[in-house]
Amino acid sequence: GAVVSQHPSWVICKSGTSVKIECRSLDFQATTMFWYRQFPKQSLMLMATSNEGSKATYEQGVEKDKFLINHASLTLSTLTVTSAHPEDSSFYICSARNRDRAYNEQFFGPGTRLTVL
Amino acid sequence: AQSVTQLDSQVPVFEEAPVELRCNYSSSVSVYLFWYVQYPNQGLQLLLKYLSGSTLVKGINGFEAEFNKSQTSFHLRKPSVHISDTAEYFCAVRQSHQGGKLIFGQGTELSVKP
Repeated sequence: GAVVSQHPSWVICKSGTSVKIECRSLDFQATTMFWYRQFPKQSLMLMATSNEGSKATYEQGVEKDKFLINHASLTLSTLTVTSAHPEDSSFYICSARNRDRAYNEQFFGPGTRLTVL
Repeated sequence: AQSVTQLDSQVPVFEEAPVELRCNYSSSVSVYLFWYVQYPNQGLQLLLKYLSGSTLVKGINGFEAEFNKSQTSFHLRKPSVHISDTAEYFCAVRQSHQGGKLIFGQGTELSVKP
């Protein structure tokens, strides 16, 4: 159990377009999901914390109007990169916290590679 | 504020040799500690975690780590590595209260050579 999926696994888009990435917890309910960004050869940087049914909490320096997060259900959160530019190219990873685990264990998705041309 | 420092960005090692990946953290409150492994173009897989209790924690793939509170360290060890252990390893810390966020170290690239 405790599987998190992401879709798509990779996407290439033109500059100026918007891209939506989905994060799903397949076999558990996740009241909280997290979105991370990872540049090549670097660590994961937390972008925002998404709570089901409420607005996401963004980390300092992350533009909330550019990275739109929606957590409409206990199993789905989406990240939309609006008006994408080449500098938005990155590896985006989500994680979901299992509310039924004693210490709210966090499970990671496989990541989405975004390339903006 | 919490922080995590992985002292080695790259660790080259020969197959079947032992390895230690170092991790130090700073936090003024009690924490949970984690080691994750990331293979190329993939997400993170949990190797092991320390929540409480025994300071020696055993994980998957033959890895283990020891929590040392006085030295604020959580070093990862494996007595004999395989080529397949080549990957990026991340140490992470999280405050033990419910809303705590994971803070990651910079990562250590383990390269196992034949």
